Amino acid sequence: GEDVEQSLFLSVREGDSSVINCTYTDSSSTYLYWYKQEPGAGLQLLTYIFSNMDMKQDQRLTVLLNKKDKHLSLRIADTQTGDSAIYFCAERRGSGTYKYIFGTGTRLKVLA
Amino acid sequence: DTGVSQDPRHKITKRGQNVTFRCDPISEHNRLYWYRQTLGQGPEFLTYFQNEAQLEKSRLLSDRFSAERPKGSFSTLEIQRTEQGDSAMYLCASSFIPGTSGTDTQYFGPGTRLTVL
Repeated sequence: GEDVEQSLFLSVREGDSSVINCTYTDSSSTYLYWYKQEPGAGLQLLTYIFSNMDMKQDQRLTVLLNKKDKHLSLRIADTQTGDSAIYFCAERRGSGTYKYIFGTGTRLKVLA
Repeated sequence: DTGVSQDPRHKITKRGQNVTFRCDPISEHNRLYWYRQTLGQGPEFLTYFQNEAQLEKSRLLSDRFSAERPKGSFSTLEIQRTEQGDSAMYLCASSFIPGTSGTDTQYFGPGTRLTVL
């Protein structure tokens, strides 16, 4: 099917690490993305990973990609209250297309 | 650079009416995307343009929906004979990519929230 799946909620304490998981469906997806959406705001691209990579690190963010299991994760180190938001993973299907399929989103709540 | 803008931000209409939304992308961005987002869901792809050409449409885009980008700059999304199921947030995004391949960073607008009564 077309579904990109994410768990709905995650709650962590400030200063801890957060890990948000995503399972995608298309093994030919070329790029995988993580977006952040804060209340009343548009989606903001956080990071992306090309399908031939296993890991990408960008400051507090670490993306892990397991192509065999079609599993993507986003780790946020030293999570802050400002990280509270909804996080979406998205896959770009195949090559030659710019159709993006988004997951249902994970709502991250950071407790002070 | 003022970012992607969308107009109106909110639209309330009665069932059966036509509505039109506008998206102004970041200047010189050659790609423009439309998505629909309902409560508790991620954005659903509707269509995208490269310059003025509409290159791909989702099967979600029924014949009541039409999108244009006549001069390769702003875009409009029209919904004819609106139904209550059309109530959603309509998001626009733009990106720039030289050539035909590679990643494109999409910048999203704030969205137009449509309520069909």
